[in-house]
Amino acid sequence: EAGVTQFPSHSVIEKGQTVTLRCDPISGHDNLYWYRRVMGKEIKFLLHFVKESKQDESGMPNNRFLAERTGGTYSTLKVQPAELEDSGVYFCASSTLNTGELFFGEGSRLTVL
Amino acid sequence: RKEVEQDPGPFNVPEGATVAFNCTYSNSASQSFFWYRQDCRKEPKLLMSVYSSGNEDGRFTAQLNRASQYISLLIRDSKLSDSATYLCVVIPDGSSNTGKLIFGQGTTLQVKP
Repeated sequence: EAGVTQFPSHSVIEKGQTVTLRCDPISGHDNLYWYRRVMGKEIKFLLHFVKESKQDESGMPNNRFLAERTGGTYSTLKVQPAELEDSGVYFCASSTLNTGELFFGEGSRLTVL
Repeated sequence: RKEVEQDPGPFNVPEGATVAFNCTYSNSASQSFFWYRQDCRKEPKLLMSVYSSGNEDGRFTAQLNRASQYISLLIRDSKLSDSATYLCVVIPDGSSNTGKLIFGQGTTLQVKP
């Protein structure tokens, strides 16, 4: 069975540009999460979808970040316009039950120059 | 003060050694605790949940001390393949979103031949 897949694995963009990250969760997983790790810091929660609905977006840094999950399948996270401090690794995770076991993708590494 | 604190290490130990990591959490009402493992440039993966009575999984033992608000992970008979970063993870009480994990910064273990 395929795990959580993320694309791209690495993106390098200039400050002010736009980037869209994509996450395909494990098939059948209603819960989808976005997390982020900024260099030297801990992994931090960004938001949680249940199917296509945003359950909790308390971790989104600001309105330059927009997450969507149309149809309740894959999700996208768009950063527009990107700033230097947005650099980091963006992890997507999915789960079936609320048990604390999340299945993570390998992450999308974003570098903003 | 960080919500979850860990000694980042690195811990350098020889094969066969026993090594222990500790983690402290700030929210005394937290109810769910986990250890995740992350290999270099890979995704975090659940290693084990931590229960109040303590629990063991092969060479790994997890303990919870609610009074002192700390969690420990003991690895016996270390293998080269145990080299990784170990992430202490807490779900804060009152969160209806049990996928909203609070991560520590991680403790790096390097097992040497």
